[in-house]
Amino acid sequence: QSVLTQPPSASGTPGQRVTISCSGSTSNIGFNTVNWYQQLPGAAPKLLIYRNNQRPSGVPDRFSGSKSGTSASLAISGLQSEDEADYYCEAWDDSLKGPVFGGGTKLTVL
Amino acid sequence: QITLKESGPTLVKPTQTLTLTCTFSGFSLSTSGVGVGWIRQPPGKALEWLALLFWDDDNRYSPSLKSRLTVTKDTSKNQVVLTMTNLDPVDTATYYCAHRRTMSGGIYYFDYWGQGTLVTVSS
Repeated sequence: QSVLTQPPSASGTPGQRVTISCSGSTSNIGFNTVNWYQQLPGAAPKLLIYRNNQRPSGVPDRFSGSKSGTSASLAISGLQSEDEADYYCEAWDDSLKGPVFGGGTKLTVL
Repeated sequence: QITLKESGPTLVKPTQTLTLTCTFSGFSLSTSGVGVGWIRQPPGKALEWLALLFWDDDNRYSPSLKSRLTVTKDTSKNQVVLTMTNLDPVDTATYYCAHRRTMSGGIYYFDYWGQGTLVTVSS
């Protein structure tokens, strides 16, 4: 059971906007920044969002992140078929003294 | 350009010890703010953090696996080695190493990942 809680699945049609939530606690999301990773089928995870809402170079601005209190969200606008992947949130946990991941959300583009 | 690559056995017997090596390039583990982490992913399941080793030799372990894990570095070879004892079939997973960037203000993230190596634990 993961420390951070994500919905197991999400879906949308091409062009739609979808959001994926990530719920934690004061020991992780509440006082630390949140990162998001995209894992395409059969590939290693790739950093998508860091520091709650920052995009690494090369990540399209269709991807955005936000954080409020002990929860965070990843939004994908203008959904494309290549966005079909697993998405994971991650944050440092002060109690566990290490990073914790969410259980992952499988995004399906219908 | 930062790259990382995991290497080690693909098949391990129960109760044996697993040794995985992460060989990296494009950064130095003696640079302030730099770390290397190990993360695993059982087939069809979520990512699970295992261990972290920082530039200042600070290391952190997942509390649930701490008694079985050791992480060391060889700065001259640009390698980080993860050792996990007493393997069990539930340890079957793809094991990743990743570059951990640490910035002031409590900002941390894994910005580069290796391709991963699948380790199967079976007799």
